[in-house]
Amino acid sequence: AQTVTQSQPEMSVQEAETVTLSCTYDTSENNYYLFWYKQPPSRQMILVIRQEAYKQQNATENRFSVNFQKAAKSFSLKISDSQLGDTAMYFCAFVIIQGAQKLVFGQGTRLTINP
Amino acid sequence: ETGVTQTPRHLVMGMTNKKSLKCEQHLGHNAMYWYKQSAKKPLELMFVYNFKEQTENNSVPSRFSPECPNSSHLFLHLHTLQPEDSALYLCASSQASGLPTGELFFGEGSRLTVL
Repeated sequence: AQTVTQSQPEMSVQEAETVTLSCTYDTSENNYYLFWYKQPPSRQMILVIRQEAYKQQNATENRFSVNFQKAAKSFSLKISDSQLGDTAMYFCAFVIIQGAQKLVFGQGTRLTINP
Repeated sequence: ETGVTQTPRHLVMGMTNKKSLKCEQHLGHNAMYWYKQSAKKPLELMFVYNFKEQTENNSVPSRFSPECPNSSHLFLHLHTLQPEDSALYLCASSQASGLPTGELFFGEGSRLTVL
């Protein structure tokens, strides 16, 4: 069975600091995608960043970047120059590519950016 | 219209009531999903519909009954629920044909409280 583990239930940093959220996953598959989703308070979940397992280069989206270590099955998210609007629950997720996309999610990390 | 719309946003019901949650997507996707989000737990996949056909029932109790009349609409019918069913119910959609990206698009959720 596929599982995703986020070992940090809560994190808190000051505005403008850099923060890294951890994620590990377990699968025997070779073709999959990894995601970080953001769920702001009382708002819908949105995609932050995506990584294809076959790509060695780490994905980046503006202030967001990942450290993808396939052999270690590790997929951490780094947020640089953090902003108040980054305050949210962050979920790491994993999906095997097939017809319907059945994402498996981690427990989430509640990130608070303090002014 | 936003991509994925869920109604109602909040629902309080007694254990003997019958109610329904509704989800509508305007993204032209052909896969739709129900997830349950409880505090301090990973998102739990409940049901998956692919081209209106149910392709996944993740051992969900029969007091939850999904319905997908077309690729744009998804319902979750609720009857004789238990207090432990109180949670945020998230609907999502994705592209399931062509070149899937693996990304899910979520609604804002329906917050259910069972008394």
